[in-house]
Amino acid sequence: GQNIDQPTEMTATEGAIVQINCTYQTSGFNGLFWYQQHAGEAPTFLSYNVLDGLEEKGRFSSFLSRSKGYSYLLLKELQMKDSASYLCAVINSNYQLIWGAGTKLIIKP
Amino acid sequence: NAGVTQTPKFRVLKTGQSMTLLCAQDMNHEYMYWYRQDPGMGLRLIHYSVGEGTTAKGEVPDGYNVSRLKKQNFLLGLESAAPSQTSVYFCASRRGQADQETQYFGPGTRLLVL
Repeated sequence: GQNIDQPTEMTATEGAIVQINCTYQTSGFNGLFWYQQHAGEAPTFLSYNVLDGLEEKGRFSSFLSRSKGYSYLLLKELQMKDSASYLCAVINSNYQLIWGAGTKLIIKP
Repeated sequence: NAGVTQTPKFRVLKTGQSMTLLCAQDMNHEYMYWYRQDPGMGLRLIHYSVGEGTTAKGEVPDGYNVSRLKKQNFLLGLESAAPSQTSVYFCASRRGQADQETQYFGPGTRLLVL
């Protein structure tokens, strides 16, 4: 089968750094997405990785290791508005997008 | 540019009733998708379309039908609603098939089947 594993919930403090991990086992790999989803809203695109290494976009960075089937999303200088769910999704060899259940991030003042 | 819109935003149905969810996009995207999202689970693909007049089954197609008569619209039908279809339904569109093309999501339709 195919599956994507993420922690269900994480808690962090405003101003701190948090790393959200994603491990995947899929039939092939053609890229990995991270999306942000605020409660009651639609997912919105954060990042795309297809090669190993770190992609930085302002306060958010995403890392990929294809050999380990592993990615993480790093959020720096956390703000209250970062409280949301973070979804990891992988494109498999059939070009299907396989979604993780998401990680709910709670930011405390 | 409205992006991706969905109608209705919320609906309550009785078991056995039918309804159609409408998704519209104004970005001239070829690919459109219908997902459902349930607590503790990832987005699950119901049906998708790779262009006007085409549809294909996703991961959980049973109990649903779709049509893509116009490029900008993708309709999801529930023929005989069941409580198991209580969920949040998201429509998404994508410009093309290149891997890095992101999906743009509509705001969602919350469906409660009693």
